Amino acid sequence: DAGVTQSPTHLIKTRGQQVTLRCSPISGHKSVSWYQQVLGQGPQFIFQYYEKEERGRGNFPDRFSARQFPNYSSELNVNALLLGDSALYLCASSLSPLGTANTGELFFGEGSRLTVL
Amino acid sequence: GESVGLHLPTLSVQEGDNSIINCAYSNSASDYFIWYKQESGKGPQFIIDIRSNMDKRQGQRVTVLLNKTVKHLSLQIAATQPGDSAVYFCAERARRYSTLTFGKGTMLLVSP
Repeated sequence: DAGVTQSPTHLIKTRGQQVTLRCSPISGHKSVSWYQQVLGQGPQFIFQYYEKEERGRGNFPDRFSARQFPNYSSELNVNALLLGDSALYLCASSLSPLGTANTGELFFGEGSRLTVL
Repeated sequence: GESVGLHLPTLSVQEGDNSIINCAYSNSASDYFIWYKQESGKGPQFIIDIRSNMDKRQGQRVTVLLNKTVKHLSLQIAATQPGDSAVYFCAERARRYSTLTFGKGTMLLVSP
């Protein structure tokens, strides 16, 4: 079975540009979360979507936005890129949101490595 | 692949030794904890979880201990193997929020 797939795997942008990252969750998983991982740090929560609705948002500026499609895939958009946005962007899927009674084991993709010059 | 372990605390062990990785969490209200393993160039991989109403949970070669009094979590790996070399993160879930907060990670290096 395919795991969480993300595209592109690597990309380079310049300051001020916009980027869209894509994620396909594991088949049957309805919840998708996005995390930013700066080199040498743990992942930081950006967004969670469940059944196409935003269920949580981390402490990130409005330049970051996301959406989930009817097939449960998701896109993360970042506008007006800054040098500090350079990071590994991780998508994770789960059967249910972590805030519910069921355990919310997250399955991570391998990430999209964004470099902003 | 690229390393995610730059400037991280590092634990170096010999193959066959037992490893203990520690984590201090921040929120006394957290009700759920997970350990993840991240190999170079890959996303984090679930290892084991534990709820706040438990003190200990065992998996295959791994044990997680939770001490809520001092807000401390540990991961014990028995008979460590070279394939265990990776960065290990603990993560906590604050009650009533559907997010995970990750720690900074510990790099485990296993020598043959």
